[in-house]
Amino acid sequence: AQSVAQPEDQVNVAEGNPLTVKCTYSVSGNPYLFWYVQYPNRGLQFLLKYITGDNLVKGSYGFEAEFNKSQTSFHLKKPSALVSDSALYFCAVRDEASKSTFGDGTTLTVKP
Amino acid sequence: ETGVTQSPTHLIKTRGQQVTLRCSSQSGHNTVSWYQQALGQGPQFIFQYYREEENGRGNFPPRFSGLQFPNYSSELNVNALELDDSALYLCASSDRLAGGADTQYFGPGTRLTVL
Repeated sequence: AQSVAQPEDQVNVAEGNPLTVKCTYSVSGNPYLFWYVQYPNRGLQFLLKYITGDNLVKGSYGFEAEFNKSQTSFHLKKPSALVSDSALYFCAVRDEASKSTFGDGTTLTVKP
Repeated sequence: ETGVTQSPTHLIKTRGQQVTLRCSSQSGHNTVSWYQQALGQGPQFIFQYYREEENGRGNFPPRFSGLQFPNYSSELNVNALELDDSALYLCASSDRLAGGADTQYFGPGTRLTVL
């Protein structure tokens, strides 16, 4: 069975500092990995995905993620955090049968 | 291009009742997936429909059922509601690619409360 772990419930960073939101996964076969962001009382917004190819994936709003096969990780990063980045972030893995598994989310708070 | 829409926004039901939630997929998308998001948790996959047929199911009992229509809109039906069914129900549409690489676009969700 596939699984996703987001080991930090909460990440706090100061505006302008780099941020990292961690994600590790377990899946049989080739992993398709996704990051989504959720604002209060809203659905999920797609940020980026890894399918194949370059291990560094660039996405929306300046976010990027690094796929590391040996560590089975897909950490979300941003070089300079904004207060408006404060939200709930979800990592997800999908298998080749299109079944998606999400982590429990990480709340990112960026302080001015 | 219109995004994914869901109706209703909020719904209150009592135990034992039945509910139908609706989703209109994004223009050009042929696949709809439904998720249940309980408070403080990540979305849990319920099932997926591709061109009107169920194309995968998560660990949900048969009282959770669905339909997809020729215009690719979809319904989620839940019978015999239980208190634990209280959650945000999310619909996501995509243009299905081989092997599950398609990007899913989510609607705003329907908040279901079961009393």
